[in-house]
Amino acid sequence: KAGVTQTPRYLIKTRGQQVTLSCSPISGHRSVSWYQQTPGQGLQFLFEYFSETQRNKGNFPGRFSGRQFSNSRSEMNVSTLELGDSALYLCASSLGDLETQYFGPGTRLLVL
Amino acid sequence: KQEVTQIPAALSVPEGENLVLNCSFTDSAIYNLQWFRQDPGKGLTSLLLIQSSQREQTSGRLNASLDKSSGRSTLYIAASQPGDSATYLCAVSLGGADGLTFGKGTHLIIQP
Repeated sequence: KAGVTQTPRYLIKTRGQQVTLSCSPISGHRSVSWYQQTPGQGLQFLFEYFSETQRNKGNFPGRFSGRQFSNSRSEMNVSTLELGDSALYLCASSLGDLETQYFGPGTRLLVL
Repeated sequence: KQEVTQIPAALSVPEGENLVLNCSFTDSAIYNLQWFRQDPGKGLTSLLLIQSSQREQTSGRLNASLDKSSGRSTLYIAASQPGDSATYLCAVSLGGADGLTFGKGTHLIIQP
């Protein structure tokens, strides 16, 4: 069974631009969560989707948004990029609540 | 607000030793606790998931325990190997759509 895949793996953008990251969950998984990892803050929860509905969002500004499609694939978008948005963005999928979360390899975003 | 602390932040031991990594959390109302490992520049690999009703879980040379009332978990690694070198992360879930709350991790080096 294929794992969680994320595209692209690496991305370089400049301040003010916007970016879209994609995540394909493990087949059959309906819950997709996104996390931001930085050296200073560690791993922080961005948002969680289940059956195309955002059920929860972490403490991030409105520039961070996402969506989930009917096939459970998810995208996250960051608008008006700032230098501090440079991070590893990780996506995780699970069968549902209280189940093991499986993480993808991440997308490394560098904002110049 | 849930906070997760991992001690020690870094650990270096010779190959073959048994070792214990510690994780503590401030809110004991968790639904489960998960241990992950992360290799440099990579995503997270799930090691063990302990539900709140469980006391421990085992997988191969790994054993994780959970004392929910005291807000503590330990990850025991038996007969350590150089391939165990990685950052080990502890994460707790409050259930439902809430994302995982992570500790900052323990950076483990196993010396050949």
